[in-house]
Amino acid sequence: KQEVTQIPAALSVPEGENLVLNCSFTDSAIYNLQWFRQDPGKGLTSLLLIQSSQREQTSGRLNASLDKSSGRSTLYIAASQPGDSATYLCALRDDKIIFGKGTRLHILP
Amino acid sequence: AAGVIQSPRHLIKEKRETATLKCYPIPRHDTVYWYQQGPGQDPQFLISFYEKMQSDKGSIPDRFSAQQFSDYHSELNMSSLELGDSALYFCASSSGGRLSYNEQFFGPGTRLTVL
Repeated sequence: KQEVTQIPAALSVPEGENLVLNCSFTDSAIYNLQWFRQDPGKGLTSLLLIQSSQREQTSGRLNASLDKSSGRSTLYIAASQPGDSATYLCALRDDKIIFGKGTRLHILP
Repeated sequence: AAGVIQSPRHLIKEKRETATLKCYPIPRHDTVYWYQQGPGQDPQFLISFYEKMQSDKGSIPDRFSAQQFSDYHSELNMSSLELGDSALYFCASSSGGRLSYNEQFFGPGTRLTVL
């Protein structure tokens, strides 16, 4: 049974720092992995989608990597800003779509 | 750019009542997904539709049903509501067909409160 884990559950860093969010999964037979951000009480905003054949995707200050063999994906945020404060969720797709529980990120001004 | 539209945005119901949530996917998207997110929880996949046919089923209770219509909008029908059904219900859409694993785009959600 596929399990998705995001560590840490919460993270606070000063503005301007680079940071890495982690997502691990137990079964490497996935079709893709998608990173989302969610503001409190709001919907999910898609950040990056990595297909199983890809190693990484980049969008602006965000870079997501995927290593299926080790069951890991990372989301790298460069030069963090207070507006980056949100919960970041990874979701992977095998036969179903499974979300991690998210990392609550707080960027300190 | 057009996004996924969900209505209503907020809904308050009593126990044992019924509720209908609506989802309008992004134009030309043929696949719709429904998710339930309880307070402080991660989203749980409920059900999906492709070309008006159910394509995948997740943890959807038997009290719930859903369908996709000819204009690709979808409705989630919830009966005999329970307190535990209080949650944020998201709809997402994607293109490319049932076996496509394209990016999902989420709507703003419907917040259902059962009293």
